[in-house]
Amino acid sequence: KQEVTQIPAALSVPEGENLVLNCSFTDSAIYNLQWFRQDPGKGLTSLLLIQSSQREQTSGRLNASLDKSSGRSTLYIAASQPGDSATYLCVPLGNDYKLSFGAGTTVTVRA
Amino acid sequence: EAQVTQNPRYLITVTGKKLTVTCSQNMNHEYMSWYRQDPGLGLRQIYYSMNVEVTDKGDVPEGYKVSRKEKRNFPLILESPSPNQTSLYFCASRGLAGGSGDEQFFGPGTRLTVL
Repeated sequence: KQEVTQIPAALSVPEGENLVLNCSFTDSAIYNLQWFRQDPGKGLTSLLLIQSSQREQTSGRLNASLDKSSGRSTLYIAASQPGDSATYLCVPLGNDYKLSFGAGTTVTVRA
Repeated sequence: EAQVTQNPRYLITVTGKKLTVTCSQNMNHEYMSWYRQDPGLGLRQIYYSMNVEVTDKGDVPEGYKVSRKEKRNFPLILESPSPNQTSLYFCASRGLAGGSGDEQFFGPGTRLTVL
């Protein structure tokens, strides 16, 4: 069964700092990996989809890397803003359609 | 636009009054599922469906029913809601595992309160 760990559990930074969110997963036999953000009480917004053939994916200030062999992915958020405050979830996509979720990383960006 | 839709988005009801939360996706996905999210417990799977007329229990199926009569729709039915079913519910769908469209989509969520 896939297990997902996200470190740190929480992060509080002043505006402008770069953020590094780490995700590790136990089963490296995945096809893709997605990063989502969730605001409190709201839905999950897909941020980035990294296909297994890729090592990284970028969208604006977001950059995510994937190292399948070591079971790790990292989400970088450059020049953080208060609007980046949310919980971030990484979701590996393998043969098992049932998703495995980590507890997420809760980010607070202070103005 | 590829999307999963849910209705209603917010619902307040009373114990025992049957309700249905609808879910629809426009991506021709075979796989659909329902999750509930509660503070401190994360997302837990209620039911899933691998295709039309094929459904199975997830981790927390008690008190819920589903049906999959059409590929695009996957309604969640609470025959006799109870207060412990107060939660935030998400419908989800996913493309074929390993296929070119393998991506997870979530609906916007339904906030259910059972009094």
